[in-house]
Amino acid sequence: DARVTQTPRDKVTEMGQEVTMRCQPILGHNTVFWYRQTMMQGLELLAYFRNRAPLDDSGMPKDRFSAEMPDATLATLKIQPSEPRDSAVYFCASGLKSPQETQYFGPGTRLLVL
Amino acid sequence: AQKITQTQPGMFVQEKEAVTLDCTYDTSDPSYGLFWYKQPSSGEMIFLIYQGSYDQQNATEGRYSLNFQKARKSANLVISASQLGDSAMYFCAMREGTGANSKLTFGKGITLSVRP
Repeated sequence: DARVTQTPRDKVTEMGQEVTMRCQPILGHNTVFWYRQTMMQGLELLAYFRNRAPLDDSGMPKDRFSAEMPDATLATLKIQPSEPRDSAVYFCASGLKSPQETQYFGPGTRLLVL
Repeated sequence: AQKITQTQPGMFVQEKEAVTLDCTYDTSDPSYGLFWYKQPSSGEMIFLIYQGSYDQQNATEGRYSLNFQKARKSANLVISASQLGDSAMYFCAMREGTGANSKLTFGKGITLSVRP
């Protein structure tokens, strides 16, 4: 049963610390997405990659966030330095470029910045 | 203007009855896709059903069906024979265009509670 995996599932950190979230997309999927979910803003797209190349990161605060895909099996989202307003659930999703291109979501990383 | 509108704040349904969750969308692109996702209290986002703008038939997946009314720009989710496990948040989403664009825009979601 192919699934997107994310680590860590929960993260509590102090303001100013670096946070790294990892995602393993479904094997064979060539598009990877990072979303942030908060009560106020709902689900927001932060960035996405196709074939490991960044296609759109316009939703991401560039000064403190960075997203990379070092290889086809790993995507990372880093926040440095973290701030309390970054507290949210961060989802990774993967998909296969096709007319339908359904996105399959990981379980999310729940981040709390104190 | 919002691209995806889900205005029902919360829905209640009796177990074994059918329920319709509303979604309207706004796009000028002739080619688009519509998706529904379920988010139970555990937090994961579960894909339920997809409807393409050129699909002639309404999509169905088991107990889920999509009432696609293109002229009205609505894509309502119908859940038949509700189960207690259907209690969750439900999100409608849209992808516009084809080619390079893979971005989904999500609505604010609707909470569904199934009563025993």
